[in-house]
Amino acid sequence: QVQLVQSGAEVKKPGASVKVSCKASGYTFTGYYVHWVRQAPGQGLEWMGWINPNSGGTNYAQKFQGRVTLTRDTSISTGYMELSSLRSDDTAVYYCARDLSGWPGVDYWGQGTLVTVSS
Amino acid sequence: SSELTQDPDVSVALGQTVRITCQGDSLRSYYASWYQQKPGQAPILVIYGKNYRPSGIPDRFSGSSSGNTASLTITGAQAEDEADYYCNSRDSSGNHVVFGGGTKLTVL
Repeated sequence: QVQLVQSGAEVKKPGASVKVSCKASGYTFTGYYVHWVRQAPGQGLEWMGWINPNSGGTNYAQKFQGRVTLTRDTSISTGYMELSSLRSDDTAVYYCARDLSGWPGVDYWGQGTLVTVSS
Repeated sequence: SSELTQDPDVSVALGQTVRITCQGDSLRSYYASWYQQKPGQAPILVIYGKNYRPSGIPDRFSGSSSGNTASLTITGAQAEDEADYYCNSRDSSGNHVVFGGGTKLTVL
């Protein structure tokens, strides 16, 4: 069965960076784009970007351009999201999700990783 | 602000039918997907494309689209359907992805 397993919760200071991992199993990792979505406490879902695990090509939301970097390691079927220059309003649960492939949207989600930014 | 607009709160009596809508110019060109999210859980996909349900999603969930509006309909709402619902599609440029602001569904 398709699974996306994310790394554990992180606490960071303002100005630092965080890197969250997302390990895929149950399907061909290079066959589906991986999206990253975040959700601040009590707020809605916010799309950050996607990566094509086959080519490494990326597409970022304008809001995060210059601060977010999506990468992957195909040898271990794992995607990564690195967010730099953290601020308190980056405190959120970060999700990875598999692209629906052929339709707008995502079908499988990771369990989420809470990133807390606090001095 | 989101390019997809949803009503923040919707309520429905147990067993009745409810429609949750999502409006945006990009929906004239792209289908929406719909997600259900319960507190403390990751979202799950309930409807995508023209009106497709992933395996395991009850057939009381259905989707439709007209003009700039996509709709998620729950026919015979159950207590377990109480959740936040989000729509998702491409943005107006078609290059990026966008979510609606979410609708909190209360089952009375």
